[in-house]
Amino acid sequence: DQQVKQNSPSLSVQEGRISILNCDYTNSMFDYFLWYKKYPAEGPTFLISISSIKDKNEDGRFTVFLNKSAKHLSLHIVPSQPGDSAVYFCAARKGGSEKLVFGKGTKLTVNP
Amino acid sequence: DGGITQSPKYLFRKEGQNVTLSCEQNLNHDAMYWYRQDPGQGLRLIYYSQIVNDFQKGDIAEGYSVSREKKESFPLTVTSAQKNPTAFYLCASTPAGYGTNYGYTFGSGTRLTVV
Repeated sequence: DQQVKQNSPSLSVQEGRISILNCDYTNSMFDYFLWYKKYPAEGPTFLISISSIKDKNEDGRFTVFLNKSAKHLSLHIVPSQPGDSAVYFCAARKGGSEKLVFGKGTKLTVNP
Repeated sequence: DGGITQSPKYLFRKEGQNVTLSCEQNLNHDAMYWYRQDPGQGLRLIYYSQIVNDFQKGDIAEGYSVSREKKESFPLTVTSAQKNPTAFYLCASTPAGYGTNYGYTFGSGTRLTVV
């Protein structure tokens, strides 16, 4: 049973445009959500996170939106740059737990 | 600099052999994790340890074993019982409690190939 779902395996956008990566979850016990960025043959690196008490968190070009009623979150990258091309993982954590549950990832390609 | 070191970066194993992947951290983190990444499968949890001398199975523990004799080290052994061991293996760590707001710190991974 996949608790964190990223239904789009890939996404291609033009440089300068907005990239929107989506993530859905099924477990209402999740109270913290994170996005990681991963390049090939490297470990994931933390990008941005959001607590379930918020609906938006912004850090430079990256904004994460959380819709608790829909159990949906999205990562917006504006403007997209070629260096943003990577696999993006959505992850979720239950209250009181350190363990993260990951989605399958979305491969973002930003074309010059 | 603090971080997690995984070695080797590339590893080749003959069928039927056991092999051990190293993971060392100098972040003073209490919890450590092993994940496996396969194409289209995302990150799947193999084993995790929240304290020295204790560890728990993750979602895909069959064919793997771990030890946690020191806080800094969490080696993973891929045994001959693992039917499809070719994959990219990631080690991660986090402080105790709820961890940081950054979740895990990951190592750079080990690519294991069975030949």
